[in-house]
Amino acid sequence: GIQVEQSPPDLILQEGANSTLRCNFSDSVNNLQWFHQNPWGQLINLFYIPSGTKQNGRLSATTVATERYSLLYISSSQTTDSGVYFCAPVSGGGADGLTFGKGTHLIIQP
Amino acid sequence: NAGVMQNPRHLVRRRGQEARLRCSPMKGHSHVYWYRQLPEEGLKFMVYLQKENIIDESGMPKERFSAEFPKEGPSILRIQQVVRGDSAAYFCASSQAGELFFGEGSRLTVL
Repeated sequence: GIQVEQSPPDLILQEGANSTLRCNFSDSVNNLQWFHQNPWGQLINLFYIPSGTKQNGRLSATTVATERYSLLYISSSQTTDSGVYFCAPVSGGGADGLTFGKGTHLIIQP
Repeated sequence: NAGVMQNPRHLVRRRGQEARLRCSPMKGHSHVYWYRQLPEEGLKFMVYLQKENIIDESGMPKERFSAEFPKEGPSILRIQQVVRGDSAAYFCASSQAGELFFGEGSRLTVL
C-alpha cells in the first residue's frame, strides 16, 4: 500500500511563530486530507486537497501530486493549535480509505 | 446538523467479553469507515462499508472482529472475546464519495 512520511515528528514553537509541516507519499493519490487531532482526541478536518493550494484563515495547504508531497502552513501560531497534525492521502490504485501518516506533534508554548 | 455520532464514548470490558461500538454516519452519507488508533500512533484503516455491503476489510484482524452496516440503523463494529491488546480508540468516518468526516471516537479499555 501507499507509504506516508510526515516531518518533523515533533515541533515545539512559541506563540506567534510560523511553521511548515511536510507530508511525502509513495504513490499517486486521488485525494488527500489534513487533520488536526486536538488534545482531547477529536479529529478536525483542515483541508481536502488532492492538488493545488487552499487557505483557511491562518492555515494553508499545498499539494503537488506530481512530486508526491503536501505541505501545511500554520502562521501566527496560537496555543490552541497544539496537537497532532495528520496527513492522509487516498491512493489512486487502492481502497477508498485514507492512509494516515504518523503525524507531527506540535506544541505551542505561550 | 449532526456530524458522525459514535457511542459509547468510553467502554470498559474484561478479557473475554464482547464489545460493540456503534456509528451513525452524517445525514446523506452512505460510506462508513472504521479506524483504530493505538496510543501515540496514527489511525489504521480497518474496514470500509456501504449499506449492507462490506467493500474492503483488508485492515480487519482475521478473528474476533466483525463489522456491519445494515439497511436500517447504525454501523456496528463488534469485537468478540476481547484481549488487552484491543484497548484503543476506535474511530468511525463517513463520506459521500469524497471528503471523510470523523466521529469523536470510542475508547475501549480491556481490563
